[in-house]
Parts: sequence; structure tokens; C-alpha cells
Amino acid sequence: QLQLQESGPGLVKPSETLSLTCTVSDDSISRSTYSWVWIRQPPGKGLEWIGNTYYGGTTQYNPSLKSRVTISLDTSKSQVSLKLTSVTAADTAVYFCARRKRYTSNLDVWGKGTTVTVSS
Amino acid sequence: QSALTQPASVSGSPGQSISISCTGTSSDVGNSDHVSWCQQHPGKVPKLMIYDVSHRPSGVSDRFSGSKSGNTASLTISGLQAEDEADYYCLSYTTSKNWVFGGGTRLTVL
Repeated sequence: QLQLQESGPGLVKPSETLSLTCTVSDDSISRSTYSWVWIRQPPGKGLEWIGNTYYGGTTQYNPSLKSRVTISLDTSKSQVSLKLTSVTAADTAVYFCARRKRYTSNLDVWGKGTTVTVSS
Repeated sequence: QSALTQPASVSGSPGQSISISCTGTSSDVGNSDHVSWCQQHPGKVPKLMIYDVSHRPSGVSDRFSGSKSGNTASLTISGLQAEDEADYYCLSYTTSKNWVFGGGTRLTVL
């Protein structure tokens, strides 16, 4: 059964870059039939779509984060990465990666999420 | 892009049916066949309950159903059970080729 595992620093200083990795347990990262998604949830708040990408295709970002975010695939490691620059306390959240079947809104697999706190 | 509009809270008694609305615009819900609903229990990972407006993933109870009319999508839960108490989020594809969540609805089973 496919598993997604987020990893990265749990604490990031303001103005620095948040870097997270999502490791995919099978080879579906190399299939263009799936899109790889990052979603976040600030404490006590709702879900926010950060962006998504797929193998051999383009990447889409939330317009409110577009100037600071980069999502990329490393198929050799079966990993999806997220980089968010110039972080502030408002970027404190649980960050989830998920898999979506392309041409659908079927987010069929989610990681367990990783908590990132922005604080000095 | 603005978040889709959901009621902050809804409630119902066991056995009853409830609906949660998700209102967007012609730039998202109104022009998208790709609307999903996710359930999230406190401290847990969101779980997909409905995708593409009305499709249920394998393993999701048929008490959950989805529909759409104009710019508003709806999630209906019939035969309400205590375990249904959770937060529910809608999600829609947009004409800008992005995705947007609703603000979330807390369902309380009385």
C-alpha cells in the first residue's frame, strides 16, 4: 500500500527558507497519471492548497504563495520537495503531501503531515 | 483566489440527514466538475469522502453523497452517526488551473 512520508526541520527561523521532503513508497512518482500536492494547515485553522506538480509536466502554485514557493520532483529518490522562502510566523502549520489522480479531484493518498514552527 | 464559503458549523441528531454547502463562483465551483469533500477528525489526517462532485472512493460509506447546483456544491450525510462528528472541507478546481479549499465546517452530532 502506497505511503507518503513528510520530513524536514520542525523549527525554522523567520526570514529563512522552509524545506520539506515527501518520500513516496512506490514508483508512482514517475507516472504522469498522478499529481503531487502540498497542503498546509495552520494551528486551529483550515486547509490551504500550496501547489502541485507532476512528472514531465508543469507546476501550479497558490497565487498567494507563488512568489515564495517551489515544488519539485526527484524521481531518483522518489521524493517531492517543497521550498518556501522568507518565512514568517504565519507559515507555522502542519504540512501535508498528497497524491492526486490527474484529471480528477481524487486525493487518494495523504501523508501523516509534519509540523513546522517558525520562530526565532 | 478567495476561499470557498462554507457554514462554520452544522449539527444534527443521530439518524438524521444533514447537508453542508460550499459556495464559490463561476471561476471555481460553477465551472468545475472537480469538487471534493474531505473529512478531518481532530488531530488526524484529512480523509477524502467525495471527489469529482459525486464520486465516492472505495471504502467510503454510501451515507455520504455529493451534488452541485450552479456555484454551490453540497455534501449530504444521511443516517448521521456519532463517528461523523468532524470538520469537513470542500475543494474545487479553478479556471486559473489552481485549487481552492473552503473554510471548513464543524459537524456536531447532538
